[in-house]
Amino acid sequence: QVQLQESGPGLVEPSETLSLTCAVSGYSISSGYYWGWFRQPPGKGLEWIGSFYHGGSTYYNPSLKSRLTISLDTSKNQFSLKLSSVTAADTAVYYCARQTYYYDHSGFPDCWGQGTLVTVSS
Amino acid sequence: QSVLTQPPSVSAAPGQKVTISCSGSTSNIGNYYVSWYQQLPGTAPKLLIYENNQRPSGIPDRFSGSKSGTSATLGITGLQTGDEADYYCETWDRTLSAVLFGGGTKLTVL
Repeated sequence: QVQLQESGPGLVEPSETLSLTCAVSGYSISSGYYWGWFRQPPGKGLEWIGSFYHGGSTYYNPSLKSRLTISLDTSKNQFSLKLSSVTAADTAVYYCARQTYYYDHSGFPDCWGQGTLVTVSS
Repeated sequence: QSVLTQPPSVSAAPGQKVTISCSGSTSNIGNYYVSWYQQLPGTAPKLLIYENNQRPSGIPDRFSGSKSGTSATLGITGLQTGDEADYYCETWDRTLSAVLFGGGTKLTVL
């Protein structure tokens, strides 16, 4: 059974870089799925951040693309998110998830981590 | 303002049926699969429906999905108090090259 677990600082100062890691167990991230990040500001809806396929295909939310890097570490079976120049608007619960592979886009998330709250504040 | 439009809230009595709509365009729902998620308070989203009308293993057949043109619908029959949650539709948008979620619908079981 695939499991995902987010980890990283719960507090990030404005203008700094938010860094999170998602450890995956029960499934190899090199095998046939996209791996994505999502977030949910307090009291608001879900927002997609970006998705990465081990074969190199990457999709980023256009509104975040200039500040965003997603990478995979197949040796540790984990993937990471880096979001630079954060502001209070980036305060949210961040989720990692496995996404179905389609040949021309990243598909629906079928397994989610439990989420981790990241607060941007000085 | 979400590209995918859902009603902010719906309500019904226990045992009754409710439907939640998700309206989009040819750039998204009209040409891509739709999935639906249930999010209980304080928890991660849970996949209920994928590829318009498919249920993952373990999801009861009280939950159903359909799609017509540029709109999709989630149906829930035999409502239970445990179904009170936020529900989100999801799909791909080819113009934005982005995964989209609807704004979410809060279900209240009266």
